Amino acid sequence: DVKVTQSSRYLVKRTGEKVFLECVQDMDHENMFWYRQDPGLGLRLIYFSYDVKMKEKGDIPEGYSVSREKKERFSLILESASTNQTSMYLCASSLQQGSKNIQYFGAGTRLSVL
Amino acid sequence: DQQVKQNSPSLSVQEGRISILNCDYTNSMFDYFLWYKKYPAEGPTFLISISSIKDKNEDGRFTVFLNKSAKHLSLHIVPSQPGDSAVYFCAELNNAGNMLTFGGGTRLMVKP
Repeated sequence: DVKVTQSSRYLVKRTGEKVFLECVQDMDHENMFWYRQDPGLGLRLIYFSYDVKMKEKGDIPEGYSVSREKKERFSLILESASTNQTSMYLCASSLQQGSKNIQYFGAGTRLSVL
Repeated sequence: DQQVKQNSPSLSVQEGRISILNCDYTNSMFDYFLWYKKYPAEGPTFLISISSIKDKNEDGRFTVFLNKSAKHLSLHIVPSQPGDSAVYFCAELNNAGNMLTFGGGTRLMVKP
């Protein structure tokens, strides 16, 4: 079974704090993704990575950065958290080729920025 | 403007009846669509997919229909069970085969 693990289920941070969200997958997947989920808006892609040290902007990258130093780990960074970044954050991974890019998701991190 | 739209935010169905969840898309260049299911406090899980070379794909109680001329797909669940209560997202795969665009989701409630 594919396992995607997000380090925190719930986080509460203050405006202006630097926030790290960590994600680890154990299936040697090349692709990793960060989404945020908001009511009525579905899942919106923030960033994705198709290889170590490689990253591509998604639909809503503003206010976020990412880091992929190892294949199994993909970090989302909020340099200076703001209240509009309060959301559910979901990490996913998938194979580079084949399996029609079925993405496997972690359980999510609910972030509240006060 | 959303490329993938699920116009019904919620749907309530009696146990044993059919659930029909709908999804519209705008980009006719995309040729692969997926449905994901999400329970509270869990990540989305893949449910079923369809390629544009087909108009129907069936997996047990779940069937996805694709109408390319209308740019519309639907997910049918027959018979619906209380355990099917969840949020369902449709998604389209980009031409490079590496990115998904999701709809806003439909919350399905199946009443016993």
